[in-house]
Amino acid sequence: GDSVTQMEGPVTLSEEAFLTINCTYTATGYPSLFWYVQYPGEGLQLLLKATKADDKGSNKGFEATYRKETTSFHLEKGSVQVSDSAVYFCALNSGAGSYQLTFGKGTKLSVIP
Amino acid sequence: ETGVTQSPTHLIKTRGQQVTLRCSSQSGHNTVSWYQQALGQGPQFIFQYYREEENGRGNFPPRFSGLQFPNYSSELNVNALELDDSALYLCASGRADYNEQFFGPGTRLTVL
Repeated sequence: GDSVTQMEGPVTLSEEAFLTINCTYTATGYPSLFWYVQYPGEGLQLLLKATKADDKGSNKGFEATYRKETTSFHLEKGSVQVSDSAVYFCALNSGAGSYQLTFGKGTKLSVIP
Repeated sequence: ETGVTQSPTHLIKTRGQQVTLRCSSQSGHNTVSWYQQALGQGPQFIFQYYREEENGRGNFPPRFSGLQFPNYSSELNVNALELDDSALYLCASGRADYNEQFFGPGTRLTVL
């Protein structure tokens, strides 16, 4: 079945540091890939997505590239801010009429001033 | 445009009771999905609805059931509550022709 594996946390960075959160997946067919962010006490917000190989999703300075050859969708940001502190989830949807999202376990990011 | 809303925000029940959680989809959306998020874990897919019919289900027992109404609001019902049902329950809505889902803030259920 489908699965998502992402970097274990927590991750602690200083403000303006470079961020990478690794995500790899296993899926049948050609899934769509997503990064969601969850701030404390809130639901999930879609951060970015990519629907086919070599697509790059980007939003709010975050980027991730759909790499079919390595089955990866790593999240990056060049300069993190304190306000980026949250839990980040990598997810996939296999499509074919299903809206089901399969999530990784999440990576907690803390950014310190 | 209003977002996805859920009620109640928090709920405390005792083992063996039944609970109903509610979700109001975002305007223009015709699909709704429910997820269970245990503490420190990623959300787990429970089921999804389209045109008021369940059309996909995750690895959850039949005591988890749902409804989708013509106005695209939705309910999640859980019977015979167990301690392990304590979790954040998330509702997500979307459009069948667009591969993107929008999540509500969730209902925190505690089973004592």
